[in-house]
Amino acid sequence: DAKTTQPNSMESNEEEPVHLPCNHSTISGTDYIHWYRQLPSQGPEYVIHGLTSNVNNRMASLAIAEDRKSSTLILHRATLRDAAVYYCILIRGGQGAQKLVFGQGTRLTINP
Amino acid sequence: DTGVSQDPRHKITKRGQNVTFRCDPISEHNRLYWYRQTLGQGPEFLTYFQNEAQLEKSRLLSDRFSAERPKGSFSTLEIQRTEQGDSAMYLCASSATLQATEAFFGQGTRLTVV
Repeated sequence: DAKTTQPNSMESNEEEPVHLPCNHSTISGTDYIHWYRQLPSQGPEYVIHGLTSNVNNRMASLAIAEDRKSSTLILHRATLRDAAVYYCILIRGGQGAQKLVFGQGTRLTINP
Repeated sequence: DTGVSQDPRHKITKRGQNVTFRCDPISEHNRLYWYRQTLGQGPEFLTYFQNEAQLEKSRLLSDRFSAERPKGSFSTLEIQRTEQGDSAMYLCASSATLQATEAFFGQGTRLTVV
């Protein structure tokens, strides 16, 4: 499985944008970039995914570099509820939903 | 609530005892996954089922661990002769058809072996 690298922790202030980076230099052409997050004492929850183009949904935006070797999850206006561990995961396309290989993720702290 | 549900939420057991956890996936989801998560780490894959067939098992799943999914609905994960190293959060997830890309997780069962 292609590996992802994320900072261990990041900190931001409430109501400000947050940019969470992820490096995946060994990504293959059919790998989708997925983001999950895990709130305290909860199971992980899906945030967003993309292949090549930038993606937006109600939770976040995903910006994918042109060479696909990195991506950034963008929370446009962080709230205290966004404090969580964020995981960037690559999933091989064409094989449907598969097991997820989690790294250590980025622990995001939001200051009031 | 139609999400993935796990039971019990917490379990404390003595070393050497057997424990069994249950997972009820989202109705109609044909894939079901078990993960284990220790403090400060990301979840680690243990095993997954497509309907009632167990298709993959991680090396982490020693012979003391067994998982079943009779009739392709709920699943159970049993740990025999528990050890202190088995203390962890056990997470279950389910997903829909082969084209689905999103897995839905339960809240987990926290196991403490004393």
